[in-house]
Amino acid sequence: ETGVTQTPRHLVMGMTNKKSLKCEQHLGHNAMYWYKQSAKKPLELMFVYNFKEQTENNSVPSRFSPECPNSSHLFLHLHTLQPEDSALYLCASSQELGNTPLHFGNGTRLTVT
Amino acid sequence: GEDVEQSLFLSVREGDSSVINCTYTDSSSTYLYWYKQEPGAGLQLLTYIFSNMDMKQDQRLTVLLNKKDKHLSLRIADTQTGDSAIYFCAGCGHGGATNKLIFGTGTLLAVQP
Repeated sequence: ETGVTQTPRHLVMGMTNKKSLKCEQHLGHNAMYWYKQSAKKPLELMFVYNFKEQTENNSVPSRFSPECPNSSHLFLHLHTLQPEDSALYLCASSQELGNTPLHFGNGTRLTVT
Repeated sequence: GEDVEQSLFLSVREGDSSVINCTYTDSSSTYLYWYKQEPGAGLQLLTYIFSNMDMKQDQRLTVLLNKKDKHLSLRIADTQTGDSAIYFCAGCGHGGATNKLIFGTGTLLAVQP
């Protein structure tokens, strides 16, 4: 049982669809993250939020739109994705931004057709 | 910036010890982490070591840190089939900012019964 819950676990969407990924953490952490994990590539940090404020956007295309309504919830809104966006999207949280370990959810396996 | 490298694959027999190695470039990493990823799951924090330590032991896990050579290893004693997974090391340069955590590409550990 992880303290970081992601839904859905699997998602198949067409290139014209709009969908959202949801992440919730029950750990009382202040920072939340979106990572992308593709086959044979290192884990890629996408976005960072600290106390609900976005602190980092790693040159992510605008077809990915994050939202952080509070410190416990994080969303990733998806629209007009490309097949190369198919990947495992991992949410993580940490107590703060410095010297504290990341706690990951189980991820959403996204397939873009 | 930080670069973290790992060998891609390790195969051991059940009951043997496994040693997974990692090299990193940024000597300012305050903490170095080991994560485990089982199929279909996110990354699970296994253990971490503070940069002023040489060794940390936690049940079957032993972490060794050689700061001079910038080499980190994870030893799993009495390896079990349930230990089969991908193991990631991660270093955090830039004064330990969690949003600057850099992951290796992961080592796939296969445990043969």
